[in-house]
Amino acid sequence: DQQVKQNSPSLSVQEGRISILNCDYTNSMFDYFLWYKKYPAEGPTFLISISSIKDKNEDGRFTVFLNKSAKHLSLHIVPSQPGDSAVYFCAASEEYGNKLVFGAGTILRVKS
Amino acid sequence: NAGVTQTPKFRILKIGQSMTLQCTQDMNHNYMYWYRQDPGMGLKLIYYSVGAGITDKGEVPNGYNVSRSTTEDFPLRLELAAPSQTSVYFCASSYKRAVSGANVLTFGAGSRLTVL
Repeated sequence: DQQVKQNSPSLSVQEGRISILNCDYTNSMFDYFLWYKKYPAEGPTFLISISSIKDKNEDGRFTVFLNKSAKHLSLHIVPSQPGDSAVYFCAASEEYGNKLVFGAGTILRVKS
Repeated sequence: NAGVTQTPKFRILKIGQSMTLQCTQDMNHNYMYWYRQDPGMGLKLIYYSVGAGITDKGEVPNGYNVSRSTTEDFPLRLELAAPSQTSVYFCASSYKRAVSGANVLTFGAGSRLTVL
């Protein structure tokens, strides 16, 4: 029972263009959503989060959009840079939850 | 400022052997977690702890045990290793107040375990 789904295993984007990574969830109790970035041989690092009371959160080149009615969120990276090439994980938790539930990840390749 | 430290980084085990993956954090975080990452499967929660002396099962606890005797340490014990436990293991920690809010985890670099 996958509560958090990232249906695109990989995405390839040209440097300078926009990268859009998508995530869907099934648990309506999820209230917080996070994106993590992971380089090979390293642990995931936190990138950006959004609360369910918002529909957008921005941090520099990274913006996360949440559509609660569709149970869908997306991460936009503008402009994409070669150093953004990594695996991106979407994660979610309930309001008072102790646990993060992760998606399977999307491999982003930014070509120079 | 070490953050979350995991040892060993790599280990090869024979079927039936036992071992302990060590995890320590120096951020005074109250919550600690063990996840495993299998190819194409994302991160699955094995066990977690909300404080010293308190542990709870995650999604995939079978074949593992944990203990939390101090705030800093959260070792993961594998008893009777099986090929299905071949994976990359990540320890994580967070500081979560007893109120609502995003629970931002800080991860270690991972331990790659192969069971042959």
